[in-house]
Amino acid sequence: EAGVAQSPRYKIIEKRQSVAFWCNPISGHATLYWYQQILGQGPKLLIQFQNNGVVDDSQLPKDRFSAERLKGVDSTLKIQPAKLEDSAVYLCASGLGYLNEKLFFGSGTQLSVL
Amino acid sequence: AQTVTQSQPEMSVQEAETVTLSCTYDTSESDYYLFWYKQPPSRQMILVIRQEAYKQQNATENRFSVNFQKAAKSFSLKISDSQLGDAAMYFCAYRSGDRDDKIIFGKGTRLHILP
Repeated sequence: EAGVAQSPRYKIIEKRQSVAFWCNPISGHATLYWYQQILGQGPKLLIQFQNNGVVDDSQLPKDRFSAERLKGVDSTLKIQPAKLEDSAVYLCASGLGYLNEKLFFGSGTQLSVL
Repeated sequence: AQTVTQSQPEMSVQEAETVTLSCTYDTSESDYYLFWYKQPPSRQMILVIRQEAYKQQNATENRFSVNFQKAAKSFSLKISDSQLGDAAMYFCAYRSGDRDDKIIFGKGTRLHILP
């Protein structure tokens, strides 16, 4: 079974630049999550999709972050413009949509904003 | 709002010994789910074990078991016969029984295995 694919694995940009991350979840998974993991902290949910609809984006800084999940499959997360405090690992996860389910995570994108 | 607290930033254990990682959570709900995830250096989070709050029996997965104390809001992870491959960050996580609620992670405990 193929896992959750994310790219790029690493990205270095300067502040005020734009960046985009891509996630391909496991085939058939209805739910897709984007998490931000700052060094030394646990993952924080940015946005949760159910198919191609948004379930929760309450912690997404909407003035600079945007995300979409076209056709309920792949997803992209964009930051425009980036700030120094956006330096983190961005994790994508997918699941079938059950409350007690095991989430499948990708290896994340490590973003450094200089 | 629900919170998850892991009070041990780092722990070490000798190979083949047993170690217990602590987790406490705060909630006013009666229906929820608890998880332990492992994050190795590859960054890919992997589910270790999960517990439904309505189940009194503690979950067990091979060398991993939990001590779930609902009244005390405590959910510790016990790793028996520790192996070098167990070295990783371990995150405790909470999810409400509300269908649309998000999973909340603690700050993690870094586990070192000493050969």
